[in-house]
Amino acid sequence: DTGVSQNPRHKITKRGQNVTFRCDPISEHNRLYWYRQTLGQGPEFLTYFQNEAQLEKSRLLSDRFSAERPKGSFSTLEIQRTEQGDSAMYLCASSPRRDPGNVTDTQYFGPGTRLTVL
Amino acid sequence: GNSVTQMEGPVTLSEEAFLTINCTYTATGYPSLFWYVQYPGEGLQLLLKATKADDKGSNKGFEATYRKETTSFHLEKGSVQVSDSAVYFCALSDRINYGGATNKLIFGTGTLLAVQP
Repeated sequence: DTGVSQNPRHKITKRGQNVTFRCDPISEHNRLYWYRQTLGQGPEFLTYFQNEAQLEKSRLLSDRFSAERPKGSFSTLEIQRTEQGDSAMYLCASSPRRDPGNVTDTQYFGPGTRLTVL
Repeated sequence: GNSVTQMEGPVTLSEEAFLTINCTYTATGYPSLFWYVQYPGEGLQLLLKATKADDKGSNKGFEATYRKETTSFHLEKGSVQVSDSAVYFCALSDRINYGGATNKLIFGTGTLLAVQP
């Protein structure tokens, strides 16, 4: 178990460019979440996958954002035509398939990708 | 909608002092409650959790009790160490609306704790 990994750790881009981030969840975790954290704030939910199915998207996820999880393993988050307001830390988390009797998943977070849009 | 409010920081304490970080929540239903910690340069780590009223979560000397009557989940530690310096986030689970059993997390704004030797 090597934990959730995210790449790149830092990304600097110019306004209008497209960027893509990758998240590798803990192996055999079938649930994957993306969050966004701006300076001085707590993380905010963006989207959720169960296996390869994207089951929930926040209103924060504008049309310029798209996320995929092909084959239910790693996930990518793409931002098209980046804006300065997209500058934030993008966090990925995963949780295991729930065992019967468990009330709540524990989400395990990666180190995040810090995006700076100039 | 559901929300979490936690005390603003920074909280600055001397080593071995008593710590309280207040957290209150607004929620429909019966959410689970969490404290996550973020050490400098690292990702969020689960510190403790409680899944129902009157449950007490504890880990590494930290404790928090799920108080439904006051909608609170305050974090406490009897004697802090310099190594406890970090940002602490209170969070609650919010059911994702597709009929499934998995929850997204709603976080507070975080409280920076600085412990001085």
